[in-house]
Order: sequence, then structure tokens, then C-alpha cells
Amino acid sequence: RKEVEQDPGPFNVPEGATVAFNCTYSNSASQSFFWYRQDCRKEPKLLMSVYSSGNEDGRFTAQLNRASQYISLLIRDSKLSDSATYLCVVNILHTDKLIFGTGTRLQVFP
Amino acid sequence: GAGVSQSPSNKVTEKGKDVELRCDPISGHTALYWYRQSLGQGLEFLIYFQGNSAPDKSGLPSDRFSAERTGGSVSTLTIQRTQQEDSAVYLCASSLVHSATNEKLFFGSGTQLSVL
Repeated sequence: RKEVEQDPGPFNVPEGATVAFNCTYSNSASQSFFWYRQDCRKEPKLLMSVYSSGNEDGRFTAQLNRASQYISLLIRDSKLSDSATYLCVVNILHTDKLIFGTGTRLQVFP
Repeated sequence: GAGVSQSPSNKVTEKGKDVELRCDPISGHTALYWYRQSLGQGLEFLIYFQGNSAPDKSGLPSDRFSAERTGGSVSTLTIQRTQQEDSAVYLCASSLVHSATNEKLFFGSGTQLSVL
């Protein structure tokens, strides 16, 4: 089983839609969690960290469910510019590794 | 420079040749990471440096891969006797400090390696 799993998509949604992605992780010792965004043929960039209490940044909301070992990203009022691949990232306690998922591709259409 | 710089941006080599990839992290960043990304795949962790030392080298795919960092700054990733399966984008990232709870990585634009 992969350490971090994501639905590859693509998720095709119209502008203005709300879309949500989940990411599951296998190691219960996972300590910290992040969402990165990667545009086509570009490097990944940090979108937001995911806190235990959940956190919001504008149209983006991230949540963590430790019991079920998943994190989620909710995007409200989707924009064309949100089209990208969203990477789930997990840091495992006492390791130096940030483990990246393979990403979920989002395509927002007019 | 303002960001993480990697060179070359593209490298085409013949099978069996050695290649060296370079990463200049953001000035003052103590942590440095190498990942590789094959077409349509996620990022595969290779190695991490804190300062000049690499506590965990287990991500390196084989003994043909090695990496070093000098002066707490520039890092080089060397692949000896390249194979076609080594073809990928090699991404370097740095962060101010290695903190599990606040890991903001800044990535370079990568080196696209093609082994013919």
C-alpha cells in the first residue's frame, strides 16, 4: 500500500463550482500535512498546511481526520486559474522525509 | 538569487554516461531536498540534507546515485552509468529549517534528464 494515496482525477468542474479532494495516508505516525499545487510543467508550490483543527485560506479549506487517516482540500467558487494538480504531502514522525502523493488533477472549465 | 536555482535545466545523455546535477538553494536555507518526478508520477524522495550532512540516504534508488552538499549551500546529485529508467525531472527544494510542523519547501524548476 502506498504511503500517501490520492485519486488522480481529473476532476472537471465548471467555474464557480465547489470541489473536494481527499488524500489517505497509511502511517499512523504521520505528524504533519500539507497541500501543494503543481501547474503543468512547473515546480510544486505550497498551497497550505493542514492543522488538526482544520484551517481556511480564502476559498480553500483543509481538514485532517486522524481517526480515518485522511486529509481533505475543499475549493469553493472555483476559478479557471485553479486548474492544476494538487499534491498531498505527509511528514512522518522521526523521519526526514516529506512524502508526496501522486496528485489530483483539477480542470476548471468556463 | 531569489529562488532555488538548478542547472542544467535540460540534460540529454547517452546510456552509461555519468551526469551531475546542481542545486543552489535559497541563501540561508539550511535544509535541502532532492526529489525526482517521472512523467505523470508523484515526487519520489531521494535524499535530504541538514547543513552538509545527509541523515537519510535510503531514498537513493541505487548505488549509482550519490549526492553531496558543501558549505551548507550548493548541492550536487551525481548519477553514474546512467540508465534509461533514470530519465525524469530532478527537483531540488530548500527550506529555512527542517521542521516537521512547518515545512515550507521552495522548489527549483528542475532538471529534465533524458537518457537515450
